[in-house]
Amino acid sequence: GDSVTQMEGPVTLSEEAFLTINCTYTATGYPSLFWYVQYPGEGLQLLLKATKADDKGSNKGFEATYRKETTSFHLEKGSVQVSDSAVYFCALVRGNQGGKLIFGQGTELSVKP
Amino acid sequence: GAVVSQHPSWVICKSGTSVKIECRSLDFQATTMFWYRQFPKQSLMLMATSNEGSKATYEQGVEKDKFLINHASLTLSTLTVTSAHPEDSSFYICSARNPEEAAQETQYFGPGTRLLVL
Repeated sequence: GDSVTQMEGPVTLSEEAFLTINCTYTATGYPSLFWYVQYPGEGLQLLLKATKADDKGSNKGFEATYRKETTSFHLEKGSVQVSDSAVYFCALVRGNQGGKLIFGQGTELSVKP
Repeated sequence: GAVVSQHPSWVICKSGTSVKIECRSLDFQATTMFWYRQFPKQSLMLMATSNEGSKATYEQGVEKDKFLINHASLTLSTLTVTSAHPEDSSFYICSARNPEEAAQETQYFGPGTRLLVL
């Protein structure tokens, strides 16, 4: 079945460091890919998405490129801030699955000043 | 746009009582909403898909008589945890899709409801 695998956390970085959170997926067909962010005590917010191969999603300095050849959708940011501390979830949805999101296990990011 | 609210944001109840959680789409009409459960430091587990005007579709292993879902209007879905027990304590999150978006794949999430059953 479809699945999403993320790098394990927690990830601890200093402010202004470069961030990469790896995400790989297994799915038949051409799923859409998403990154959601969850701040402490809150629900999930859509961070960015990509709907087809080679698309790059970007938002708030974060970006991720849909790589079909490596089945990956790694999240990157050039310079993280303390306010980026949160849990990041990679997810996919296949159009013929009733819109059901399949989530990775989440990666906790902690940014220190 | 695409804001989803939940009420209450947290609730504490006694074992054996029932608790109702509301999920509303504030600026769009949602024919489909989803209910998730999240345990501490874990990912979201889809419980059920709520369809306006019809019965909810439950995921395998989720007791439909325990977790009653009603999607009575295009902007409101409710989850009722019946005869709650301490093991039902969790963070419950709903989401909705905006049918006016071309792809209709993006889910917009509510802020979550934290339930504690004593």
